Amino acid sequence: GENVEQHPSTLSVQEGDSAVIKCTYSDSASNYFPWYKQELGKGPQLIIDIRSNVGEKKDQRIAVTLNKTAKHFSLHITETQPEDSAVYFCAASLGGSYIPTFGRGTSLIVHP
Amino acid sequence: DAGVIQSPRHEVTEMGQEVTLRCKPISGHDYLFWYRQTMMRGLELLIYFNNNVPIDDSGMPEDRFSAKMPNASFSTLKIQPSEPRDSAVYFCASSLRPEETQYFGPGTRLLVL
Repeated sequence: GENVEQHPSTLSVQEGDSAVIKCTYSDSASNYFPWYKQELGKGPQLIIDIRSNVGEKKDQRIAVTLNKTAKHFSLHITETQPEDSAVYFCAASLGGSYIPTFGRGTSLIVHP
Repeated sequence: DAGVIQSPRHEVTEMGQEVTLRCKPISGHDYLFWYRQTMMRGLELLIYFNNNVPIDDSGMPEDRFSAKMPNASFSTLKIQPSEPRDSAVYFCASSLRPEETQYFGPGTRLLVL
């Protein structure tokens, strides 16, 4: 099955700094790469996604890049704020099914 | 819409007891997913349904786990008998199509003593 590696497991930054979370996947047929944010005591919530025909996508302070050749994708958060503190999950679809396999998560802490 | 609804939010039970977790997906969503989240294993897909039919249950850990979706607005995940290693947060999620956003419920925190 699909294997998704996510790094780092914990990321601590100062407010205003940028944060980058990186993921790699194993299945070259993967075609859908969503990112989810999970706040304490809540379920994960989609924040951005990218599909295999796009290399980069931005939405305000967050952006995702995809390198299909190298089979890795990254989440970039600029001008981080304390409310960005949460656990972030990357995911890659199983083959062409669009059903995601999740990475282990990154705990982002933004210090005011 | 109220979003995905799960009940109970918390469950504490003793080893050997039957546990039933419930989920109401967002109306109109054809796909329903059950996940388990633990520190050791992260977020694991247990099973998913399309139009009330189980499509892939390869993530169900063992025969003690079973899931049903009797209609488009209700699903259950049952553990019988429960064991301490089943302690986790169980999430239900739904989506219109697999390539669309999955909307997660608030989760059921299960503790098996």
